[in-house]
Amino acid sequence: AQKITQTQPGMFVQEKEAVTLDCTYDTSDPSYGLFWYKQPSSGEMIFLIYQGSYDQQNATEGRYSLNFQKARKSANLVISASQLGDSAMYFCAMRFIMLSNFGNEKLTFGTGTRLTIIP
Amino acid sequence: DVKVTQSSRYLVKRTGEKVFLECVQDMDHENMFWYRQDPGLGLRLIYFSYDVKMKEKGDIPEGYSVSREKKERFSLILESASTNQTSMYLCASLPGGGAYEQYFGPGTRLTVT
Repeated sequence: AQKITQTQPGMFVQEKEAVTLDCTYDTSDPSYGLFWYKQPSSGEMIFLIYQGSYDQQNATEGRYSLNFQKARKSANLVISASQLGDSAMYFCAMRFIMLSNFGNEKLTFGTGTRLTIIP
Repeated sequence: DVKVTQSSRYLVKRTGEKVFLECVQDMDHENMFWYRQDPGLGLRLIYFSYDVKMKEKGDIPEGYSVSREKKERFSLILESASTNQTSMYLCASLPGGGAYEQYFGPGTRLTVT
């Protein structure tokens, strides 16, 4: 079974500092993907970044990077130079393909980390 | 831009009522999903559909059913609402062909009293 663990329920970070949000995962499938989504107080889920299990390099999207350590089964999100608008709930999620079900896929989410940026 | 809409942002229903939550996407996506979100539990998959009239159980299907009569519309049905179904419900869609990003609707906050 697939499992995502986010051990930080909440974090407070000073504006302009870098932030690392932790995510570990467990799966026996060789092919999977890892996501980070942001959920502001308005409630919508915003896709931030994706890393495939076979990708050799860590994914980056602007101020976001995913620190993928396959052997340790971790996929931490790094936000450089944090801004007040980064205050939100952040979810790590894992995608896996159900080969026994026509290749359909599903996501498993972690419990989330609430990030608060302090001015 | 992909747009996923949900019929209501807020809904209040009584115990025992039949509840319909509607989700519509405008990008011809094959796959659609229903999640519920609870504090401390993250998002959990209720049901998903990879084609019209096709449905698959997710991780917590008990107490729910779904309907997908048209490609763009995926309905979540609570046959007899209970207080433990008070939650935020999120719908998402995903194109076929190996795409990985799910597009989420704004969510419906359902309260069952």
